[in-house]
Amino acid sequence: GAGVSQSPSNKVTEKGKDVELRCDPISGHTALYWYRQSLGQGLEFLIYFQGNSAPDKSGLPSDRFSAERTGGSVSTLTIQRTQQEDSAVYLCASSVRPNTEAFFGQGTRLTVV
Amino acid sequence: GESVGLHLPTLSVQEGDNSIINCAYSNSASDYFIWYKQESGKGPQFIIDIRSNMDKRQGQRVTVLLNKTVKHLSLQIAATQPGDSAVYFCAEPSYGNNRLAFGKGNQVVVIP
Repeated sequence: GAGVSQSPSNKVTEKGKDVELRCDPISGHTALYWYRQSLGQGLEFLIYFQGNSAPDKSGLPSDRFSAERTGGSVSTLTIQRTQQEDSAVYLCASSVRPNTEAFFGQGTRLTVV
Repeated sequence: GESVGLHLPTLSVQEGDNSIINCAYSNSASDYFIWYKQESGKGPQFIIDIRSNMDKRQGQRVTVLLNKTVKHLSLQIAATQPGDSAVYFCAEPSYGNNRLAFGKGNQVVVIP
């Protein structure tokens, strides 16, 4: 597609369940980022991919969070045993290379009840 | 931690007036800055960028000014329109971490 695509756009899940969030970056973009945004807050970095490898996982808040990227394209962010504090908008972005303009998707709004 | 921060949390502006959003950064070696606009329910959208070899760059109704002496960045929006209501973030690359560092954002509310 022309832009970064994320799915689902909204997800309501019960506490303790696992969720998978998907990001389809712009074709040809080697760098892919996941950020988290709580209501009225800034962007919290989660993880960065260069190709299929994740050289920087420092932002993942706990071992319940994991992410992978396959074929240098689609990425999946998985949250296991969701907690209410995981409720936020999860944003994916991609760029041609690191440290350049990043293009964002619309985000996935996750609500844990 | 983030090296980019915003001075004003909320700016209310009358439609047709000019808006100015400010941003401070702490790394004097920073050489690239980006402004993003985030409308409600949407992801951040690129507005304009500037490199450190420039002190001013203009786009359509927007101008970014860079003052490297005081490590200050501003975004000026001319003739503000209702569609300009959004949260504006400044960002800079965090080269050691290969990611963009974002400020906390500044809400602009346009009064019709």
